[in-house]
Amino acid sequence: QITLKESGPTLVKPTQTLTLTCTFSGFSLSTSGVAVDWIRQPPGKALEWLALIYWDDDKRYSPSLKSRLTITKDTSKNQVVLTMTNMDPVDTATYYCAHQYDMETDIWGQGTMVAVSS
Amino acid sequence: QAVLTQPSSLSASPGASASLTCTLRSGINVGFYTIYWYQQKPGSPPQYLLRYKSDSDKRQGSGVPSRFSGSKDTSANAGILLISGLQSEDEAAYYCMIWHSSAWLFGGGTKLTVL
Repeated sequence: QITLKESGPTLVKPTQTLTLTCTFSGFSLSTSGVAVDWIRQPPGKALEWLALIYWDDDKRYSPSLKSRLTITKDTSKNQVVLTMTNMDPVDTATYYCAHQYDMETDIWGQGTMVAVSS
Repeated sequence: QAVLTQPSSLSASPGASASLTCTLRSGINVGFYTIYWYQQKPGSPPQYLLRYKSDSDKRQGSGVPSRFSGSKDTSANAGILLISGLQSEDEAAYYCMIWHSSAWLFGGGTKLTVL
């Protein structure tokens, strides 16, 4: 059974850097074809894809946020970390990580809510 | 103009069918893309429903009922999620997604009301 869980601060101040961790089980990020995605959703708004990292450490980023995002993995710990710099109140959202295999992002974590406020 | 456009809301009656559209921006040909569909209920993460590229290249998500199906309207340059035999539990937001220029893109979502 595949599960993912997001963790990180619930509140950050403007201009700070956000660090989120996705801890997963039921799959290995060293298996060919596997990836982990990060997606966010501001309150009452649509989903927005942020980044993904593949089993071979290849990475993709949202073009609009690329300069602010870094995604890394620790295969031994079954974790993927997303950092987002220069946080702003518009970045207030629920942040999800999700399992991807064969171009299907099929299993999502429950999400973690992050508020940006001074 | 957004790459993927979905109607913000749609209403349908129990037992009826609902057709949810995901229109691709002009110049982006739906025929070349696989359209992915998600269902999201309030307070929950999205649930993967299915993917559709053609009748010979499609896949249902694990455990997703067959009354959820995908198709395309090439004349409208749109992907379609068809939900037949609507049930009250189908009331949710539905999002389409494509892989475009090495990035995932979501539509703005359609809120489906079953009444």
